Amino acid sequence: DTEVTQTPKHLVMGMTNKKSLKCEQHMGHRAMYWYKQKAKKPPELMFVYSYEKLSINESVPSRFSPECPNSSLLNLHLHALQPEDSALYLCASSQEGRVYEQYFGPGTRLTVT
Amino acid sequence: QKEVEQNSGPLSVPEGAIASLNCTYSDRGSQSFFWYRQYSGKSPELIMSIYSNGDKEDGRFTAQLNKASQYVSLLIRDSQPSDSATYLCAVPPGTASKLTFGTGTRLQVTL
Repeated sequence: DTEVTQTPKHLVMGMTNKKSLKCEQHMGHRAMYWYKQKAKKPPELMFVYSYEKLSINESVPSRFSPECPNSSLLNLHLHALQPEDSALYLCASSQEGRVYEQYFGPGTRLTVT
Repeated sequence: QKEVEQNSGPLSVPEGAIASLNCTYSDRGSQSFFWYRQYSGKSPELIMSIYSNGDKEDGRFTAQLNKASQYVSLLIRDSQPSDSATYLCAVPPGTASKLTFGTGTRLQVTL
C-alpha cells in the first residue's frame, strides 16, 4: 500500500467553527508532514512529525493545532480560522532516512467563510 | 535572494521535443535535490532525485546537477501532452530536515 489518504476532500467552515483534517498512511513511514498550498504557489511546510513527536513548527498560528495519535495517523485541528487560511492542505509521509522523498496525499480543499 | 528559484513559465514545447526545466539554489550546503511533478488539481509526486554532480537518467527524464554553479535541471525527452504539469524543484537546506520548494515551472506540451 503506497497511498496516503486524507479526509475530507473538501471542507467549508465558518470563522467560529472547529473542524479537523485527517491523514492516514500504512507504509510504515515514521515522518509525517502538513503543508499548505495556495493557488499557483508551491507547498509551504507547516509541521513535521518524526516518530509521533513534533519536530518542526514553521511558526504556524495557534489556530492550527497538529496531533499525531499514532504512527499511521496525523490530524490538523482548526479553530477560529480566517478567510486567508483558505487553501489546499496537503499531508505527506516519508521513510526513516529518506525524509526528502515524500509521498503526498490528495489534499483537503478548505474554504473559510 | 530566494532559496530555490525557478522560472514560473509557462514553458510551451511541441509534442516530441525536449523540455528543459531549470532551478537554482542558494544554500551551498545542500547535498540532495528533487523534482516533483504536480498535475493541476492534484498533489505533488516525486519523479527524480539526484545527489551527485552530473546526469541521472530515468526513462525519458534526465536530471542534471552542477553544484559549483548551484543549479539543477530536468530534461524531458520526447515530451508528451501527459507531461503537461507544474514541475517543482525541491532542495533541502543544508542544516534542516525539511524540503524547500521552488515556485515551480508550468510546462505545456502542445500537439
